[in-house]
Amino acid sequence: ELKVEQNPLFLSMQEGKNYTIYCNYSTTSDRLYWYRQDPGKSLESLFVLLSNGAVKQEGRLMASLDTKARLSTLHITAAVHDLSATYFCAVDGETSGSRLTFGEGTQLTVNP
Amino acid sequence: DVKVTQSSRYLVKRTGEKVFLECVQDMDHENMFWYRQDPGLGLRLIYFSYDVKMKEKGDIPEGYSVSREKKERFSLILESASTNQTSMYLCASSLLSRDTQYFGPGTRLTVL
Repeated sequence: ELKVEQNPLFLSMQEGKNYTIYCNYSTTSDRLYWYRQDPGKSLESLFVLLSNGAVKQEGRLMASLDTKARLSTLHITAAVHDLSATYFCAVDGETSGSRLTFGEGTQLTVNP
Repeated sequence: DVKVTQSSRYLVKRTGEKVFLECVQDMDHENMFWYRQDPGLGLRLIYFSYDVKMKEKGDIPEGYSVSREKKERFSLILESASTNQTSMYLCASSLLSRDTQYFGPGTRLTVL
């Protein structure tokens, strides 16, 4: 059974600071997704990481994938209040077809 | 842009009632999914469909059924609602297997 764990689950940070969210998963996978969810809203796709060593960046967010370590990171640079949201990673196991297994989510609050 | 719509944002039902949740996508996607989201548990897959009239159980199918009579529409059915089915229900679609999933706005269902 594929398990996906995120940490931290709650993150409170100040504007301007850097931080990293970690996503570990338990079986082999070559595809990992990051989603963002604002309070009361649905999930919005941020990144798809398709291979070992993949790195994607958009604005202050950068995601990377290490398939050998079964680890993805979402790095936040110089956080701003608008980044406050819950971030989910989701893993597509190599034998699971279309199924995604989601982590519990990391609730990020960026304080002025 | 992909648009996934769900029939209701909020729904209140009584225990034992039959409940229908509808999802429609407008991008001719092959795959459609139903998830439920509960605090601390992330998203869990209930059922998915990879073609009209085709369905597969997800991780928590008990107490639910689905119907996909047309490609653009995927319905989730609670045959006899129970209080433990109070949750946020999210529908998603993807073009092909292992493509990015796009989510609808969600239906918050309360069963009294």
